[in-house]
Amino acid sequence: DAGVIQSPRHEVTEMGQEVTLRCKPISGHDYLFWYRQTMMRGLELLIYFNNNVPIDDSGMPEDRFSAKMPNASFSTLKIQPSEPRDSAVYFCASNERGGDQPQHFGDGTRLSIL
Amino acid sequence: EDQVTQSPEALRLQEGESSSLNCSYTVSGLRGLFWYRQDPGKGPEFLFTLYSAGEEKEKERLKATLTKKESFLHITAPKPEDSATYLCAVQAAGGSYIPTFGRGTSLIVHP
Repeated sequence: DAGVIQSPRHEVTEMGQEVTLRCKPISGHDYLFWYRQTMMRGLELLIYFNNNVPIDDSGMPEDRFSAKMPNASFSTLKIQPSEPRDSAVYFCASNERGGDQPQHFGDGTRLSIL
Repeated sequence: EDQVTQSPEALRLQEGESSSLNCSYTVSGLRGLFWYRQDPGKGPEFLFTLYSAGEEKEKERLKATLTKKESFLHITAPKPEDSATYLCAVQAAGGSYIPTFGRGTSLIVHP
């Protein structure tokens, strides 16, 4: 079975540019999560969706961050404009029943903002 | 506020040297505790779920246990391929039910 697929795997861009990260969850999973991982703060939940609807975006750090899920098989996390402090590894995860089940993670996007 | 603390931050073992990793938590009622393994350049991979104090789960050289305030991940006779970062995540009984992750323990097993 295909797991959670994220693209790109690596992104290097200059400060002020728009960055779009992409995620394809596992087919049949109703929940999708976006996380950010840094050495300083560990793994932080940014936002999660249930049936394509954003449920909790309280972890989104600033208005520069936005996330969408136009259909059950695709989600994007956008940063505009990007800043050096946004550099981190961004993970997407999915599962069938939200917090009651373990999450299946993609391999992440390593983002570097110069 | 729910808190999850993992210790030690880093652990170096010789192959065959058994040890334990700790995950202590402060939540208003535990619904579930998850252990994950994360290899460099990869996303976390699920290992175990524990729900109640006294519960134990095993997988190969790993055994996870749970008390009312903490969980241990025991590694028996580790091998170099057990080297990874081990994360625990705690799900509280109230709120959104989405687990909160600890910072992880980085384990290196030397041959």
